[in-house]
Amino acid sequence: QQQVKQSPQSLIVQKGGISIINCAYENTAFDYFPWYQQFPGKGPALLIAIRPDVSEKKEGRFTISFNKSAKQFSLHIMDSQPGDSATYFCAASRSGSEKLVFGKGTKLTVNP
Amino acid sequence: DAGITQSPRHKVTETGTPVTLRCHQTENHRYMYWYRQDPGHGLRLIHYSYGVKDTDKGEVSDGYSVSRSKTEDFLLTLESATSSQTSVYFCAISARDRPWDTFGSGTRLTVV
Repeated sequence: QQQVKQSPQSLIVQKGGISIINCAYENTAFDYFPWYQQFPGKGPALLIAIRPDVSEKKEGRFTISFNKSAKQFSLHIMDSQPGDSATYFCAASRSGSEKLVFGKGTKLTVNP
Repeated sequence: DAGITQSPRHKVTETGTPVTLRCHQTENHRYMYWYRQDPGHGLRLIHYSYGVKDTDKGEVSDGYSVSRSKTEDFLLTLESATSSQTSVYFCAISARDRPWDTFGSGTRLTVV
């Protein structure tokens, strides 16, 4: 049972465009939703995270949108740059749990 | 990656041999984790630790054991390596106020 479903698997956007990656979860007890960015040969790096008490969180060009009723959350990358080309993972956890569940990842390519 | 050092970075070993991977942190975080990353699967939890000598299994723990004798070190042992354990292994650390904020750079293990 895949607890966090991520789409698309791969995404190609032009420089300056908006990249959108979506995740859906099943466990309504989840209350922590981070996004990670991973470059080849590197470990995942925490990009931005949200808790269900807000519907949106923005940090620079990166925004998380959260829809509690639909059990979905998404990452928006505004003004996408070639340097944003990486694999992005969504994840989810619940308070009191020591476990973080990951989506399968989205490979983003931003063409110059 | 700041705060975590994984060793070795690369290792090739033969089927049936024992292998130990090391994760060392300088952040004094209580929680430490071992994940494996495989194409199409994202990151999957192998084992985790919530304190010295306190460990528990993740979703893909068969064939692996762990030990944590000091806060800063978390060892992952493959008792008898198999080809299915060829993967990239990541260590992560977590604290209550900084959940899963840091991952190591990974160990690429090849079992031949």
